[in-house]
Amino acid sequence: KQEVTQIPAALSVPEGENLVLNCSFTDSAIYNLQWFRQDPGKGLTSLLLIQSSQREQTSGRLNASLDKSSGRSTLYIAASQPGDSATYLCAALSRNSGNTPLVFGKGTRLSVIA
Amino acid sequence: NAGVTQTPKFQVLKTGQSMTLQCAQDMNHEYMSWYRQDPGMGLRLIHYSVGAGITDQGEVPNGYNVSRSTTEDFPLRLLSAAPSQTSVYFCASSYQGAYGYTFGSGTRLTVV
Repeated sequence: KQEVTQIPAALSVPEGENLVLNCSFTDSAIYNLQWFRQDPGKGLTSLLLIQSSQREQTSGRLNASLDKSSGRSTLYIAASQPGDSATYLCAALSRNSGNTPLVFGKGTRLSVIA
Repeated sequence: NAGVTQTPKFQVLKTGQSMTLQCAQDMNHEYMSWYRQDPGMGLRLIHYSVGAGITDQGEVPNGYNVSRSTTEDFPLRLLSAAPSQTSVYFCASSYQGAYGYTFGSGTRLTVV
């Protein structure tokens, strides 16, 4: 059974700092891994999708990497801004779980202090 | 293009009442799923479907019922609401999972 873990649960950084959010998964047989952002009281917004054949994906100041062999993904945020404050969730789509949808980590709550 | 639409956005129920949470998508996605999100528990899968007429249970299916009569709609039924079902419910859809999932904006349900 796939399990996804995100550490730390919460992170506070000063504005302008570069930061890395971590995501680990127990079953490396995945189709893809997806990073989401969730603002308080809101839904999930997809940030980046990394297919199993890819090593990384970039969108603006965000860069997500995938290392299946170690069961890890990272989300790198460059030059953080207060508007980046949100909860970041990663989710894996496993090959070994039949058609079962995404398995989520519990998220990292990011606060960027001006 | 509306994406995934959930209704209602907010609902208060009394214990024992039943209701249906609606989910509709206009992207012709085969895969649809329901999650609940609770503080400290993350997102947990309730039920999912890989096409019209095909549904299956997720991690926390008890007290919920689903059906999938069309590709577009995937309603979630609460049979007899309990306070433990107080949560935020999210519906998601995907083209066979290959291109990622799109989520609705959620339904915040309170059972008193």
